[in-house]
Amino acid sequence: KAGVTQTPRYLIKTRGQQVTLSCSPISGHRSVSWYQQTPGQGLQFLFEYFSETQRNKGNFPGRFSGRQFSNSRSEMNVSTLELGDSALYLCASSLVLAVTSNEQFFGPGTRLTVL
Amino acid sequence: GENVEQHPSTLSVQEGDSAVIKCTYSDSASNYFPWYKQELGKRPQLIIDIRSNVGEKKDQRIAVTLNKTAKHFSLHITETQPEDSAVYFCAASIRRDDKIIFGKGTRLHILP
Repeated sequence: KAGVTQTPRYLIKTRGQQVTLSCSPISGHRSVSWYQQTPGQGLQFLFEYFSETQRNKGNFPGRFSGRQFSNSRSEMNVSTLELGDSALYLCASSLVLAVTSNEQFFGPGTRLTVL
Repeated sequence: GENVEQHPSTLSVQEGDSAVIKCTYSDSASNYFPWYKQELGKRPQLIIDIRSNVGEKKDQRIAVTLNKTAKHFSLHITETQPEDSAVYFCAASIRRDDKIIFGKGTRLHILP
């Protein structure tokens, strides 16, 4: 069974630009969660999508948004990029909502650098 | 908001010794506590988890203990080996919001 994939793996953008990241979950998984990973801050929860609906979200500004398609693939968008948005963005898939699943499976991440 | 505190942020242990990482949570309704291991340059992977209806769970050299009254849980690694060097993340379910919150991670170094 193929694992969670994320594209692109690396991105370099400048301040003020916008970016879209993509995540393809494991086949059959209906939930996709997004996390921002930075040194010292660990894995900060952005949002979770389940059956094309955002089920919950973390404490991030409205510049961070996402969506999920009928095939469970998810995209995350960040508008008006700031230097502080530089991070590794991880997505994780699970069969059902993360709180009721036994495990989340993480993708390799997208390394975003904002100059 | 709901929070998961993890300590220590860095831990160095002599190979063969034990390592303990502790986490506390604030939501008394939390009922699921997974631990993830992230090796350098790799993705986090689940190594063990525990639900609130048990106090301890073991899997070979790793174990997790849960104290619901004190709202803390710990990861224990015995007979540490070089391949245990990684960043370890604890997490707790936040029932009110139906989400999982992670701690900030512990970087574990196994010294030769």
